[in-house]
Amino acid sequence: AQKITQTQPGMFVQEKEAVTLDCTYDTSDPSYGLFWYKQPSSGEMIFLIYQGSYDQQNATEGRYSLNFQKARKSANLVISASQLGDSAMYFCAMREGPANNLFFGTGTRLTVIP
Amino acid sequence: NAGVTQTPKFQVLKTGQSMTLQCAQDMNHNSMYWYRQDPGMGLRLIYYSASEGTTDKGEVPNGYNVSRLNKREFSLRLESAAPSQTSVYFCASSEMGLAGIQFFGPGTRLTVL
Repeated sequence: AQKITQTQPGMFVQEKEAVTLDCTYDTSDPSYGLFWYKQPSSGEMIFLIYQGSYDQQNATEGRYSLNFQKARKSANLVISASQLGDSAMYFCAMREGPANNLFFGTGTRLTVIP
Repeated sequence: NAGVTQTPKFQVLKTGQSMTLQCAQDMNHNSMYWYRQDPGMGLRLIYYSASEGTTDKGEVPNGYNVSRLNKREFSLRLESAAPSQTSVYFCASSEMGLAGIQFFGPGTRLTVL
C-alpha cells in the first residue's frame, strides 16, 4: 500500500483565493511526522510546513496551514490568498518513527490563474 | 550560508560509464540523504547517512554506492551507469529526530544514453 497518497494530479485556483491540496497517509506507527514541500519549475525542493503526530494544534506557517485530521489519516495543505508565485508542484511526505527516510506522494501541480 | 550544494548540475553519461555526484552542506547537520526523482513520481530514497561514519540503504539502492567523507560531505557513485538511472538526483541534510526537517540541494539532472 502507498504510504502517501495525493489524489489530485492538478489543481487550479484563482489568484487571491484559498486552495486545499489533499494528502492521505498510511502508517501503523503512533509516532510520525508529516511534511509539505514545494517544487517550482526551477526544480528545487522547498520545505513549507511540518506536523508531528502528537501535535495538538494544526501547523501554520504564514499563508500555509496544515489541516491535520488524525482519525482520517489526512494532512491537507491549505494555501490562503494564492499568488502567481504559488504555481508549482506540491509534495506531501511522511517520516515514520525513528526512521530517517521520507516517503513522498506523487505530487499535485497547482496553477494559479490571474 | 550556501545550505546544501550539489555538483554537477547536469551530466550525460554513456551506458557503463561511472561517475560520482558530490554533495556538501554547511548547516552542521548530522544526517544526509540521496534521493532520485523520476517523471510523475515523488522522491525515493537511495541511501542515507544518519551520522558521520554510518551509511544505510534506502528504498532503491541497487546500482549505487555512497561515501560519507566527513560531516559536511556525502557522495553518490554510479559504478556502471544504466539508462534506468536517468533521473534527477537530490541530496538533502537534516538534524536527527522525528521533526528533523530535510533541506534539499538544487539537484543533478543525469541522463544515461
